[in-house]
Amino acid sequence: EAQVTQNPRYLITVTGKKLTVTCSQNMNHEYMSWYRQDPGLGLRQIYYSMNVEVTDKGDVPEGYKVSRKEKRNFPLILESPSPNQTSLYFCASSSTRDGQETQYFGPGTRLLVL
Amino acid sequence: SQQGEEDPQALSIQEGENATMNCSYKTSINNLQWYRQNSGRGLVHLILIRSNEREKHSGRLRVTLDTSKKSSSLLITASRAADTASYFCATESGGYNKLIFGAGTRLAVHP
Repeated sequence: EAQVTQNPRYLITVTGKKLTVTCSQNMNHEYMSWYRQDPGLGLRQIYYSMNVEVTDKGDVPEGYKVSRKEKRNFPLILESPSPNQTSLYFCASSSTRDGQETQYFGPGTRLLVL
Repeated sequence: SQQGEEDPQALSIQEGENATMNCSYKTSINNLQWYRQNSGRGLVHLILIRSNEREKHSGRLRVTLDTSKKSSSLLITASRAADTASYFCATESGGYNKLIFGAGTRLAVHP
């Protein structure tokens, strides 16, 4: 089954404690992206990757890091989480081929930073 | 930065009625996509319309695009309680898959 998986699904942590949210897709997609969703603001892009070893900042990259060492994985790293990073996070992937731009979303990771 | 803005923010209708949601955006686009989100879950792609298309259908969904007005509408006909969800429009421009989402319309369909 084609899917995007994220782990963990729920996480409570404290300010300053480094954490990683994993994202994996099994569709051989080139493009992967991280979004955060906050009430009234829709989804905002944090980082994206066009392919292995190619990453770039989205609209709200401050406080986040990513890496793309393998095509299927795109982890999101919070080196020193702060309460304003409490949010619902989504990973997404898509092909970069014309006509296949549909993005497939993971189930989400709900993060609470105390 | 938010590109798409949905209108209305919330919509409450009875089963069987049609639901219309609108989306406006600010810059030129390659395509516009509509997604659905059940409460707290991942987004599911509904339909994509390209900048050179004016109307597209998929089952009970009808999407229109007016690039001169920089607006799109999503019509769900004969709505069902299971259509209750949030609906987001997202625009893609620049040719590298980056989507910019609006804040969404919350649709409630009552039996």
